[in-house]
Amino acid sequence: RKEVEQDPGPFNVPEGATVAFNCTYSNSASQSFFWYRQDCRKEPKLLMSVYSSGNEDGRFTAQLNRASQYISLLIRDSKLSDSATYLCVVNMGSNYQLIWGAGTKLIIKP
Amino acid sequence: DVKVTQSSRYLVKRTGEKVFLECVQDMDHENMFWYRQDPGLGLRLIYFSYDVKMKEKGDIPEGYSVSREKKERFSLILESASTNQTSMYLCASSGTPIGNTEAFFGQGTRLTVV
Repeated sequence: RKEVEQDPGPFNVPEGATVAFNCTYSNSASQSFFWYRQDCRKEPKLLMSVYSSGNEDGRFTAQLNRASQYISLLIRDSKLSDSATYLCVVNMGSNYQLIWGAGTKLIIKP
Repeated sequence: DVKVTQSSRYLVKRTGEKVFLECVQDMDHENMFWYRQDPGLGLRLIYFSYDVKMKEKGDIPEGYSVSREKKERFSLILESASTNQTSMYLCASSGTPIGNTEAFFGQGTRLTVV
């Protein structure tokens, strides 16, 4: 089992819809969680950190479920510009190791 | 604007060549990383450095070495390139503590070994 798993997609979603995807992690000692966004042929960029209490940034909401060991990302009122690959990242508790999921590809259609 | 710059966007090298990938950051970050990214596998850590002249192996260091002579520069070296090292290589830097601060990436180097 991979340490961090994501559904690769693609998720094909009409513009304006709400879409959500999850990321599961294997190590219950994991401490920090992040969502990065990667556009086609570009580098990853931080979208948002994921806090225990959940957090929201505009149309984006991130949640952490420690009991079931997954994090989620919800995008409301999706825009064409949201089309990208979303990478889940987990700090497994060591002093350096970030474990990256392989990403979920999202395609927003007009 | 923060910046991590990789020396090349695209490289084509022959099997057996020694390959140098250079990365420079202007944020005075202590930590620098080299990853490779392959379809379906996510980013895998090759090496990282938390200080000048310090280096630590990541998950897949075989066939690679690194050099950090100055704080702003972190080089990845393929001692003898092989076709299975064809990949996208991404350099990143971050502040302290590692793993809890944002990682900033360079634009990537797409290396093809023929």
